[in-house]
Amino acid sequence: DGGITQSPKYLFRKEGQNVTLSCEQNLNHDAMYWYRQDPGQGLRLIYYSQIVNDFQKGDIAEGYSVSREKKESFPLTVTSAQKNPTAFYLCASSIVGREGTEAFFGQGTRLTVV
Amino acid sequence: AQSVAQPEDQVNVAEGNPLTVKCTYSVSGNPYLFWYVQYPNRGLQFLLKYITGDNLVKGSYGFEAEFNKSQTSFHLKKPSALVSDSALYFCAVRDPMVGSTLGRLYFGRGTQLTVWP
Repeated sequence: DGGITQSPKYLFRKEGQNVTLSCEQNLNHDAMYWYRQDPGQGLRLIYYSQIVNDFQKGDIAEGYSVSREKKESFPLTVTSAQKNPTAFYLCASSIVGREGTEAFFGQGTRLTVV
Repeated sequence: AQSVAQPEDQVNVAEGNPLTVKCTYSVSGNPYLFWYVQYPNRGLQFLLKYITGDNLVKGSYGFEAEFNKSQTSFHLKKPSALVSDSALYFCAVRDPMVGSTLGRLYFGRGTQLTVWP
């Protein structure tokens, strides 16, 4: 089945640690996105990428980093510089070049700082 | 800049009654509008979209949405609600797929729909 796989589903981080969230897609989509979801705030864009080895900051990129070494993969690292990382993280992908196409989402990773 | 507003944090409706979840938008250019649904601790599922054409758009699970350009609204509707429709609903608007913003989605804050038996 085609889709987006995020792992792990739940992740616990100690203060001061970096953690990496995985996102893999087999939809052959060029564009990939990372969103952060907090209760009552909707989804906020962290980073996005159109092509391998290229990505752009979204609205809340501080304290996060990404890489796009393969078309299928777009991992997100939550660094120790992110002061409030506890949240639900969603990865998405979409086709490039077709107006109005919808984005497809993974099942999310819930990150908790302990 | 694009933006979306969902004026209601919560909507409660009895099973079998019609439901409406409201959304208004602000865009520069043609609006590409979407509705997504989220169940607890899950990702977002696409319901329907408006790109162009007929103002009444039909989507998954019996949902439909009405695009109203003069009121800049895109309300989600269903003629007869089910308990299983209870979930968090997001309205979104999308940037064009050209240019540096690359089709990013702008989301509303979400509306929690509760359908009671």
